[in-house]
Amino acid sequence: QVQLVQSGAEVKKPGASVKVSCKASGYKFTAYYMHWVRQAPGQGPEWMGWLNPDSGGTNYAQEFQGRVTMTGDTSISTAYMELTSLTSDDTATYYCARDLGLRGFDYWGQGTLVTVSS
Amino acid sequence: EIVLTQSPGTLSLSPGERATLSCRASQSVSNSYLAWYQQKPGQAPRLLIYGASSRATGIPDRFSGSGSGTDFTLTIGRLEPEDFAVYYCQQYGTSPRTFGQGTKVEIK
Repeated sequence: QVQLVQSGAEVKKPGASVKVSCKASGYKFTAYYMHWVRQAPGQGPEWMGWLNPDSGGTNYAQEFQGRVTMTGDTSISTAYMELTSLTSDDTATYYCARDLGLRGFDYWGQGTLVTVSS
Repeated sequence: EIVLTQSPGTLSLSPGERATLSCRASQSVSNSYLAWYQQKPGQAPRLLIYGASSRATGIPDRFSGSGSGTDFTLTIGRLEPEDFAVYYCQQYGTSPRTFGQGTKVEIK
């Protein structure tokens, strides 16, 4: 069965960076785009961008341009999202989600809580 | 950027009642690439509807989606206890792939 398992919660200081992993299993990792979505406490989801695991191509939301990097390691079927220059506004749960090719995001990771606090 | 506005913010209903949720886009959604998700506390969103009206795998037929262009609707035919949650719409036809702010369906 398809599973996306993310790395554990992180606590970071302002100005630091965080790298969240998302290990895929149960399907061919390179066959589907992987998206990253974050959700601040009590807020709606916010799309951050996507990774094409096959080509390594990416597309980032303008809000995160210059601060986010999405990569993948096909040898271990794992996607990564790194966010730099963290501020308290980056405190949120970060999700990876599989793109079912123009049919929405059908599988999601369990979420990784990133807390930014001095 | 396409802004999605969901209404109402909160819907207070009893089990067995019908729920109608609205999602309005600031501009036309390409090819009706509009999805609906359900989210319960502490859980990731769950895909219910894609392409405005197609149910995702395993989704009960009491969930139905309709609409095109800028106006979309999610209908829950008869609310079951497990349906009380927050619902989000998302457009995925244009980058950035935006979400609405959500409608909470709560027990009356």
